[in-house]
Amino acid sequence: QKEVEQDPGPLSVPEGAIVSLNCTYSNSAFQYFMWYRQYSRKGPELLMYTYSSGNKEDGRFTAQVDKSSKYISLFIRDSQPSDSATYLCAMSEPGDDKIIFGKGTRLHILP
Amino acid sequence: DTGVSQDPRHKITKRGQNVTFRCDPISEHNRLYWYRQTLGQGPEFLTYFQNEAQLEKSRLLSDRFSAERPKGSFSTLEIQRTEQGDSAMYLCASSSTGTASNEQFFGPGTRLTVL
Repeated sequence: QKEVEQDPGPLSVPEGAIVSLNCTYSNSAFQYFMWYRQYSRKGPELLMYTYSSGNKEDGRFTAQVDKSSKYISLFIRDSQPSDSATYLCAMSEPGDDKIIFGKGTRLHILP
Repeated sequence: DTGVSQDPRHKITKRGQNVTFRCDPISEHNRLYWYRQTLGQGPEFLTYFQNEAQLEKSRLLSDRFSAERPKGSFSTLEIQRTEQGDSAMYLCASSSTGTASNEQFFGPGTRLTVL
């Protein structure tokens, strides 16, 4: 079992829909949780960064962490065609600077 | 542009040749990371530096790979005797110990194709 599991998709939704992206993990020591967006042939761009459990909201994006279930989510409201990209969940332990990434979920927002 | 920059953006080489990539981090960042990403996978950690010291290396970093950060600013990643399995996107990221150290910012990557 990989440390971080993420459904690769692709996930296709109509413009304006709410998108839900998820990851599960096995390492209970993870405390830092991130979501990156990666456009084709580009580097990952940090979208959301959270510490421990709870919710964080930034504009149309909401990140949720449920440490009891080892489950994290990213919600995108009012999705736009420009949101079409690969979304990577990532996490790390305190004191360990390397980030462990999921495989990424390819998202297509249909106009 | 004050983000992380990488050079070259693309490199095509023949098997057995040596290649070197460069990364320039965000200027105030003292930590620099190298990752490798293959098609359909997330980035995988290779190594990282704090200032000029290389603090951790992954088992993925075979002895054909070497990374340096001689003055604590830019870094180079060299691959000797390239193999077709080395074809991947090589990503550089940087962060600062002055903020949450896991908040890493990535460059555009160098795409390597080994023929």
